Amino acid sequence: DAGVTQSPTHLIKTRGQQVTLRCSPISGHKSVSWYQQVLGQGPQFIFQYYEKEERGRGNFPDRFSARQFPNYSSELNVNALLLGDSALYLCASSYVPDGSYEQYFGPGTRLTVT
Amino acid sequence: GENVEQHPSTLSVQEGDSAVIKCTYSDSASNYFPWYKQELGKRPQLIIDIRSNVGEKKDQRIAVTLNKTAKHFSLHITETQPEDSAVYFCAASRGGNTPLVFGKGTRLSVIA
Repeated sequence: DAGVTQSPTHLIKTRGQQVTLRCSPISGHKSVSWYQQVLGQGPQFIFQYYEKEERGRGNFPDRFSARQFPNYSSELNVNALLLGDSALYLCASSYVPDGSYEQYFGPGTRLTVT
Repeated sequence: GENVEQHPSTLSVQEGDSAVIKCTYSDSASNYFPWYKQELGKRPQLIIDIRSNVGEKKDQRIAVTLNKTAKHFSLHITETQPEDSAVYFCAASRGGNTPLVFGKGTRLSVIA
């Protein structure tokens, strides 16, 4: 799993602001998923992208959006930040074409909304 | 949708003892069940997984068992060591390019 990178590592924003988080998958992996992990809970699915198309969306408001680029990197955008958006945002990559199911996580971006 | 329940939420064992963490799932179409270990401030790390076509899988001191009829699966760690202390998450998915649904985690403490 030494390959999924995320930036920035930490971020502090105020309510109402917008934030963009970035993820680069393991080389050769074509699918990227985003998860939100609130302190003390398991990761919760936000979005999944494969070959630049959205393939799944979790139960999150429209303030959350994402996209995947031709090089398979991805961005997660959150608008109109709320205090409850404070969490660790994790990106996971997987290969898919060979039928692999494994998802490997990046180190995450710790977002604090004040 | 899928719902994954995980028990216990905390577990303390003496070094050298075994630890067992159990999960149940609701979606009978789920066929992939990974386990992740997350140390404080670190990323979740895949430690073992199992697909629905097998009932048990082992990797050194770690094993996972699956009972598809009862819709539950378990993680077994033998000869626990202090470095096994972490939060463990189970998850379930329909496999392939589908999202993981996680349990709430088990905080394992191995006491030396």
